[in-house]
Amino acid sequence: KNQVEQSPQSLIILEGKNCTLQCNYTVSPFSNLRWYKQDTGRGPVSLTIMTFSENTKSNGRYTATLDADTKQSSLHITASQLSDSASYICVVPWGGATNKLIFGTGTLLAVQP
Amino acid sequence: DVKVTQSSRYLVKRTGEKVFLECVQDMDHENMFWYRQDPGLGLRLIYFSYDVKMKEKGDIPEGYSVSREKKERFSLILESASTNQTSMYLCASSRRRGDSLNTEAFFGQGTRLTVV
Repeated sequence: KNQVEQSPQSLIILEGKNCTLQCNYTVSPFSNLRWYKQDTGRGPVSLTIMTFSENTKSNGRYTATLDADTKQSSLHITASQLSDSASYICVVPWGGATNKLIFGTGTLLAVQP
Repeated sequence: DVKVTQSSRYLVKRTGEKVFLECVQDMDHENMFWYRQDPGLGLRLIYFSYDVKMKEKGDIPEGYSVSREKKERFSLILESASTNQTSMYLCASSRRRGDSLNTEAFFGQGTRLTVV
């Protein structure tokens, strides 16, 4: 069964600290994985995409990793800010031309002052 | 700046009412989606459209219908609203997959629907 699982479900950290969010997937065939950030009451916005051949990619204070062998991805946030408080969702597309998306249930991150 | 616009941010409707949620995208995308998002369940696909007048049922289509008469517009219809349809509804669009790098879904801001 094609699934995307994220951990932890929720996380509280202090401002300035680092954190790592995990995503495990069983989607096959695999082409890419995206991390989305969803602020409260808003729609998700793409942070980064990891393709099959990529291991690490940075976008400012966000660094994503991908291990296609173990089917795991992580999102590392460095020097967290209050504005990082959001839900982070891992998404893997599956299927042919119709582009079906498999969503994880997200990790809710709260950054406290 | 690419945009997916949903007609309402907040809606309150009565049980039994017919409800229309509208979504418009300006990116000439072929694919459009309607999701609902509930705490602990993540995003669940209600309906998907890959072209004008084409639609496919998603994971939870019961109680919903859709309409796509124009490429840029995708409407979600609740035929007879019920309290268990209280939720956040998200519209999204994407380019039809021909290149794996083009599978980004762009989301609207969401409509929080409350059925009383």
